[in-house]
Amino acid sequence: GQQVMQIPQYQHVQEGEDFTTYCNSSTTLSNIQWYKQRPGGHPVFLIQLVKSGEVKKQKRLTFQFGEAKKNSSLHITATQTTDVGTYFCAGRGSSNTGKLIFGQGTTLQVKP
Amino acid sequence: NAGVMQNPRHLVRRRGQEARLRCSPMKGHSHVYWYRQLPEEGLKFMVYLQKENIIDESGMPKERFSAEFPKEGPSILRIQQVVRGDSAAYFCASSPLGVWEETQYFGPGTRLLVL
Repeated sequence: GQQVMQIPQYQHVQEGEDFTTYCNSSTTLSNIQWYKQRPGGHPVFLIQLVKSGEVKKQKRLTFQFGEAKKNSSLHITATQTTDVGTYFCAGRGSSNTGKLIFGQGTTLQVKP
Repeated sequence: NAGVMQNPRHLVRRRGQEARLRCSPMKGHSHVYWYRQLPEEGLKFMVYLQKENIIDESGMPKERFSAEFPKEGPSILRIQQVVRGDSAAYFCASSPLGVWEETQYFGPGTRLLVL
């Protein structure tokens, strides 16, 4: 079945350093969404990418969707302690019913 | 505009008991998705429902688990004869039309602990 792999599983950075998490799908995706989950919280929608090669920015966050629509990345510039949490990518296949296939997530810790 | 509501937020059950988890989607949303998150893991799709219909249950365990979304009232995820391995966070998400490009909005989750 369709799988979405995400690396790294954990990342510890010093405040001010950059952070990147990568997402790879075993099949071509129709779109990909990114979520952030704080400890004890629920996934909060960040962004959706639909087009091949698409790049979107939200302040210090940059999201990319690969040309083949099988991989994606989230890059955070100059991390802050408020960026702490687990970042999940979630993909939709071209033929599924709308369910999201989540990656395992990358947990970001930021040292002040 | 109230978000997705789930209750209870925390549920403790002993092995063999039943667990009922409720989800009220956002106003105007008629599509509900249930996901399970084990500790330190990502979310795993369980079931997708529309009012009175199960659209996709490919992620549901074959036994003990069932889901419904009646015409009136919340969606219910029911786990019969719970076992310790059922301990997890169960999240419900909703969307308006169920089409592939829609965002899914997640509720706060129900944390189930089986003793």
